[in-house]
Amino acid sequence: DAGITQSPRHKVTETGTPVTLRCHQTENHRYMYWYRQDPGHGLRLIHYSYGVKDTDKGEVSDGYSVSRSKTEDFLLTLESATSSQTSVYFCATQGAYEQYFGPGTRLTVT
Amino acid sequence: TQLLEQSPQFLSIQEGENLTVYCNSSSVFSSLQWYRQEPGEGPVLLVTVVTGGEVKKLKRLTFQFGDARKDSSLHITAAQPGDTGLYLCAGAPPSYNTDKLIFGTGTRLQVFP
Repeated sequence: DAGITQSPRHKVTETGTPVTLRCHQTENHRYMYWYRQDPGHGLRLIHYSYGVKDTDKGEVSDGYSVSRSKTEDFLLTLESATSSQTSVYFCATQGAYEQYFGPGTRLTVT
Repeated sequence: TQLLEQSPQFLSIQEGENLTVYCNSSSVFSSLQWYRQEPGEGPVLLVTVVTGGEVKKLKRLTFQFGDARKDSSLHITAAQPGDTGLYLCAGAPPSYNTDKLIFGTGTRLQVFP
């Protein structure tokens, strides 16, 4: 257990509002990731970070931004939420080979 | 774009049956991992295979990495209801300096008592 927490665990928001999801890790892992999981698509990488203030885009980054001001925290922001961003969002950190996942945040955009 | 295709997508079986899940790609991976995900939780690592042809066993689960490191399989012997979940394979591209895994679309397994 890599000690990854996500907050909030559930959120319902309206189209057009900004939303920030938080990921916190206690393992001092350098790499952190944000994924979304949707039926039929599996896990898709949104953004990742390879160090404090070092981030890069994944395959589905449009409409999302991230920030990492401390090793332990990685924030995902939806600047203006859309219904297509309704999903389950997972944060993960990188160990030697494997990734450790948080419990997920279920986001519904109405 | 590297893709990992898993088959079958869905599998419903009775307790005690055997099953195999496949993870295939046309690309080579430096390592491959299998995860299991239960409802409302994040994926949890089951195993990592690194060497072509490698076989690893985890109790009733047997994992194999293809000789060419393009495919993998997960075999479960005498499945139990506790094996129910979503099984995901994930491959690490050879240029793994950015530590990005490619995930398969998953196999959803339901084992009935």
